Amino acid sequence: DSGVTQTPKHLITATGQRVTLRCSPRSGDLSVYWYQQSLDQGLQFLIHYYNGEERAKGNILERFSAQQFPDLHSELNLSSLELGDSALYFCASSLGVANTGELFFGEGSRLTVL
Amino acid sequence: AQKVTQAQTEISVVEKEDVTLDCVYETRDTTYYLFWYKQPPSGELVFLIRRNSFDEQNEISGRYSWNFQKSTSSFNFTITASQVVDSAVYFCALSEAKGSSNTGKLIFGQGTTLQVKP
Repeated sequence: DSGVTQTPKHLITATGQRVTLRCSPRSGDLSVYWYQQSLDQGLQFLIHYYNGEERAKGNILERFSAQQFPDLHSELNLSSLELGDSALYFCASSLGVANTGELFFGEGSRLTVL
Repeated sequence: AQKVTQAQTEISVVEKEDVTLDCVYETRDTTYYLFWYKQPPSGELVFLIRRNSFDEQNEISGRYSWNFQKSTSSFNFTITASQVVDSAVYFCALSEAKGSSNTGKLIFGQGTTLQVKP
């Protein structure tokens, strides 16, 4: 158990809908990262938040947004969903804005768009 | 641009065989970090090892060993005496660095699916 909690574990929805994925980082970790794993794109970095502030953006679509709240949990909002958004979305956390250690990944939220 | 290539898409071995998973990376950074992660059928990503670019010492952890060679930009992973429980997808990853620290933005390879048959 990495200590990173993601909910929901599975989510099935329809095209055009909006969903919110939630992540609770390990206790004490201030950084949260979101990654997307899809069959065609593989594992890709989406976005990084540190103590409530956005620090880095990767290949995140404009239809997607994220935020980190004062209690350090993070939410990834996906809107106007398309079939291609079906993927496993991982959250990871680490102690600082930068570090020399590993990222701790959650078990992922599997999104299926029908 | 940074890139990680895992040329082996799938590998199948019989239990107790040794197997090496290849990883080749590209980066212009002088400081960077390399990782291996395991993704078992259950789906979670399990950290295996981290290496920084200044430490070329090979590492052994039980049946696992890693060979880091900057001269060939490779960071290969060997499982000795493979077991059925080693069946998983293995990812090699490279991270951007700011100063001496890992930014947490990992660039993953496409992964190698390892099947260990009894």
